[in-house]
Amino acid sequence: KQEVTQIPAALSVPEGENLVLNCSFTDSAIYNLQWFRQDPGKGLTSLLLIQSSQREQTSGRLNASLDKSSGRSTLYIAASQPGDSATYLCAVKDYGGATNKLIFGTGTLLAVQP
Amino acid sequence: DTAVSQTPKYLVTQMGNDKSIKCEQNLGHDTMYWYKQDSKKFLKIMFSYNNKELIINETVPNRFSPKSPDKAHLNLHINSLELGDSAVYFCASSPPGLAGAYNEQFFGPGTRLTVL
Repeated sequence: KQEVTQIPAALSVPEGENLVLNCSFTDSAIYNLQWFRQDPGKGLTSLLLIQSSQREQTSGRLNASLDKSSGRSTLYIAASQPGDSATYLCAVKDYGGATNKLIFGTGTLLAVQP
Repeated sequence: DTAVSQTPKYLVTQMGNDKSIKCEQNLGHDTMYWYKQDSKKFLKIMFSYNNKELIINETVPNRFSPKSPDKAHLNLHINSLELGDSAVYFCASSPPGLAGAYNEQFFGPGTRLTVL
């Protein structure tokens, strides 16, 4: 059974710092991995989607990497800003039939201090 | 303009009541989902429908009954509400395709259910 864990659970950094959020999963047989951002009281916004054949994806100040064999992904945020404060969730899509089921991690609550 | 919308945004009700949450997407997607996010922020899938057909049904009490009148709508009806049902419920949708790489999911804003 696939389990997804995120470390740390919470992180507070001063504005301008580069930071890394970690995501690990127990079963490497995944189709893809997706990073989401969740703002308080709001839904999830997709940030980056990495296919199982890819090693990384970049969007602006965000870079996500994927190492399937070790069951790990990282989300790198460069030059953090207070507007980056949110909960970051990773989710994997397993193999296993035709379903499009996402299994979510436990989330990292990020606070960027001005 | 909203891609995936849910109503209501907040729902406060007494134990034992029956309530419904509605979801609509205007993205032309074939597949829709319901997720539950508990008090520890853990998100877990409950149901998925593809073209009005149930394809995922996780271990959810049968007090929860999804209904898809058409592929743009997926409603969630909950009977005999219990305290433990308090959570945020998210609807999501994804485009058609094989069970493969590009079925990115788009989420609604959530419905915060509080059972007193």
